[in-house]
Amino acid sequence: EVHLVESGGGLVRPGRSLRLSCAASGFNFDYSAMHWVRQAPGKGLEWVSGISWSSGHIGYADSVKGRFTISRDNAKNSLYLQISSLRPEDTAFYYCVKDNSFLPTFFDAWGQGTLVTVSS
Amino acid sequence: EIVLTQSPATLSLSPGERATLSCRASQSVTYLAWYQQKPGQAPRLLIYDASNRATGIPGRFSGSGSGTDFTLTISGLEPEDFAVYYCQQRTSWPFFGGGTKVEIK
Repeated sequence: EVHLVESGGGLVRPGRSLRLSCAASGFNFDYSAMHWVRQAPGKGLEWVSGISWSSGHIGYADSVKGRFTISRDNAKNSLYLQISSLRPEDTAFYYCVKDNSFLPTFFDAWGQGTLVTVSS
Repeated sequence: EIVLTQSPATLSLSPGERATLSCRASQSVTYLAWYQQKPGQAPRLLIYDASNRATGIPGRFSGSGSGTDFTLTISGLEPEDFAVYYCQQRTSWPFFGGGTKVEIK
């Protein structure tokens, strides 16, 4: 069974940085593209960033480009999201999401999310 | 950037009724997926590549469409089907539509 467990969320001051982690198990992590998707309280889903199986193909939403950095460690079955220059509008649940393929396609498994709250 | 517009924003129906949800793309997309999200839960995949049901998804859920117009149909709403539904395309990187809430009338 696929398990995706996010960690690293919390209350952060505007302008600070945060690193989210996702521990993956139950599937061949090496062969799957992975993504971060966020959802502000009471709002819809927003794809944030994605990374191919080999890290050779990386993409970001325009809203986070230049501030967020996605990475993965296939040896540790882990996905990361480094967030810098945090803004109040970054407040959201951040979901670690498994892709169905080694390149971006669709999302076949989701973690339960970690809440990031940006507030002074 | 391809924009996905979902309609209606809210659909008020009774259990047993048929639900028809629309997702329209600003330009032609090759692949489209649908997700269901219940309150307090992560989304789950329902339909991929426009019309293929994901593993474990009941037969009352069906997807159709191509090009710019896609439809998710729930034939006979069960109490557990009242939720928010999102479409997603993956022309290059994934993007979601704004969602349709299916609520109990």
